[in-house]
Amino acid sequence: AQSVTQLGSHVSVSEGALVLLRCNYSSSVPPYLFWYVQYPNQGLQLLLKYTSAATLVKGINGFEAEFKKSETSFHLTKPSAHMSDAAEYFCAVRDTGGFKTIFGAGTRLFVKA
Amino acid sequence: DAGVIQSPRHEVTEMGQEVTLRCKPISGHNSLFWYRQTMMRGLELLIYFNNNVPIDDSGMPEDRFSAKMPNASFSTLKIQPSEPRDSAVYFCASSDSNSPLHFGNGTRLTVT
Repeated sequence: AQSVTQLGSHVSVSEGALVLLRCNYSSSVPPYLFWYVQYPNQGLQLLLKYTSAATLVKGINGFEAEFKKSETSFHLTKPSAHMSDAAEYFCAVRDTGGFKTIFGAGTRLFVKA
Repeated sequence: DAGVIQSPRHEVTEMGQEVTLRCKPISGHNSLFWYRQTMMRGLELLIYFNNNVPIDDSGMPEDRFSAKMPNASFSTLKIQPSEPRDSAVYFCASSDSNSPLHFGNGTRLTVT
């Protein structure tokens, strides 16, 4: 069965600092992997997706993530945090050829001035 | 593209009442999903449809919950009777074959 583990329910960084949000997945077949962002009172928006092409995936707002099969990881990074990045971030997995998308518990990112 | 449209945005009801949440998926998308989000349990997949047919409803918590998709442009999630523990934000999302999910803005349900 698929599962996603996000390490750290809360992450706090200073403005301009590196953002690193961790995600590990479990899947019996090659997965599709996603990162979504949720701002208050809104639905989830897609940041980026991995679909078995390049292992380093670039997304919107300067975020990127690297698929590492050996570590079953898909960590999200951004070189320099901005105040507007404060939100909740969700990692998600879906089996290739499947319908079901399973989400991690989410990591709330705080950005300090 | 108007995105996934959910209504109402907010619903406040008394315990025991029937609640109906509505969703219009993105035109052309053939899969539709209902999720529930709470602080305690995070995002839970309740049910999903493919080509209007329910594929997996194993996430529906109880028989009080039911979902229908009468056509490709409309789905409902019904709770009857509602209970305070059903209070949550309910999201509808749609996708086509290999695309990521597109979410609506959710319905915040409060059952008193």
